[in-house]
Amino acid sequence: NAGVTQTPKFRILKIGQSMTLQCTQDMNHNYMYWYRQDPGMGLKLIYYSVGAGITDKGEVPNGYNVSRSTTEDFPLRLELAAPSQTSVYFCASRTGQGAYGYTFGSGTRLTVV
Amino acid sequence: KNEVEQSPQNLTAQEGEFITINCSYSVGISALHWLQQHPGGGIVSLFMLSSGKKKHGRLIATINIQEKHSSLHITASHPRDSAVYICAVIGGETSGSRLTFGEGTQLTVNP
Repeated sequence: NAGVTQTPKFRILKIGQSMTLQCTQDMNHNYMYWYRQDPGMGLKLIYYSVGAGITDKGEVPNGYNVSRSTTEDFPLRLELAAPSQTSVYFCASRTGQGAYGYTFGSGTRLTVV
Repeated sequence: KNEVEQSPQNLTAQEGEFITINCSYSVGISALHWLQQHPGGGIVSLFMLSSGKKKHGRLIATINIQEKHSSLHITASHPRDSAVYICAVIGGETSGSRLTFGEGTQLTVNP
C-alpha cells in the first residue's frame, strides 16, 4: 500500500497565485486532516474531514478551502497565495471513530514570494 | 500556555547515552502519539499510547494519565536517532479527534 500520498513535494508560488495541494490515501480511511508546520512551532490543523462530503474548519482555516468528494482524496486549495502561507503542509488520515492510529503524508514544502 | 508542552526543546547527547524527552498536556485526551521527523522528511508515528508503557527496540514510551504526562526514552542512543521528536495528543470525537502538537524536541546525537 502507498499509504498517504501528497503532491507536489515542493512548490514556489507568487503572491496572488492559486494552487491545489493533492492528498490521496489508499487505506479506506474515513478521517483525513490537513496540518501546516511553521518553523519552531507545533503543527496546526487547517481543515479536516470525517467522511466523503463532510468537511470542517480547524484552527487556521483562513485562506484555504477543501473538498472531499471521495473517500480517497482530500485536496487543499489556496486561492490567493500570501507570504504567510509559506509553510510545510502535511496531510494525514486515520480509520475512523475510536481508532487513533494516524498515517502522515511526506509533506509539501510551499514558498510564497 | 500551550496545551501540549515538551521539554527540552533542544537536546545534544553523546552516542550511547540514555535520553529522556518529556511531554505534559493540559486537556483531556483519548490517546497520545510520539512522532519522529527527520530533516526534510515526513512524520512517522513511533508510538500511540492511552495507558501504561510501550517498548519498541531501543525506544520506550510511558504515559501517566492522572498526571497528564508522558515520556519518551531512548536507550543506547545512536547518531541515526538524531531527529525532531514530537508529542501529540488526540482529543475527543467532537473535534474530529484532531491532534494537538507540542513544539517538538530537536535531538542531536554525536558520535
